[in-house]
Amino acid sequence: DGGITQSPKYLFRKEGQNVTLSCEQNLNHDAMYWYRQDPGQGLRLIYYSQIVNDFQKGDIAEGYSVSREKKESFPLTVTSAQKNPTAFYLCASSIVAGGYSYEQYFGPGTRLTVT
Amino acid sequence: AQKITQTQPGMFVQEKEAVTLDCTYDTSDQSYGLFWYKQPSSGEMIFLIYQGSYDQQNATEGRYSLNFQKARKSANLVISASQLGDSAMYFCAMRGGSQGNLIFGKGTKLSVKP
Repeated sequence: DGGITQSPKYLFRKEGQNVTLSCEQNLNHDAMYWYRQDPGQGLRLIYYSQIVNDFQKGDIAEGYSVSREKKESFPLTVTSAQKNPTAFYLCASSIVAGGYSYEQYFGPGTRLTVT
Repeated sequence: AQKITQTQPGMFVQEKEAVTLDCTYDTSDQSYGLFWYKQPSSGEMIFLIYQGSYDQQNATEGRYSLNFQKARKSANLVISASQLGDSAMYFCAMRGGSQGNLIFGKGTKLSVKP
């Protein structure tokens, strides 16, 4: 089945540690995205990538880093510089045509808790 | 600046009745797209329906329809014949700007009563 996988579903880390969240898609989509969701809030864009080896900062990129070495994979690292890392992280992908992304399909999310 | 506003934090509807979830948007772009997503308690975001700014007709997908009023900058989601499984958070989103990324509203929590 085609889709987006994120692992793990729940992740616990101590403050000061970097942590990497996995995102893999087999939809052959060009674009991939990382969002953060806090309780009672909508999604905020962290990073996105429209092609391999290229990515752009979103609205809240500080304290995060990404890589896009393969079309299928877009891992997100939450660094110790991120002041409030505890949140729900969602990865998405979409087709890109004419420079615009179409509907985004989401993975199941990773709930990160940092204490 | 582009913005999505969902003014209803929570809504209740009786099973089998229709419900309208409000969404207004603000953009200076001529070409944009509007999306609705459903987020059950499991957390995954499920794409429901899409409306392009140049589409002449309102979008429909099964029990979902989008009431698009361009002059009012509104894109309300209508769910007909509500089911218990429709209980979830619903997010309106807009695609716009040069990169075509999505901007999300804060969501509406829909509860369907038996």
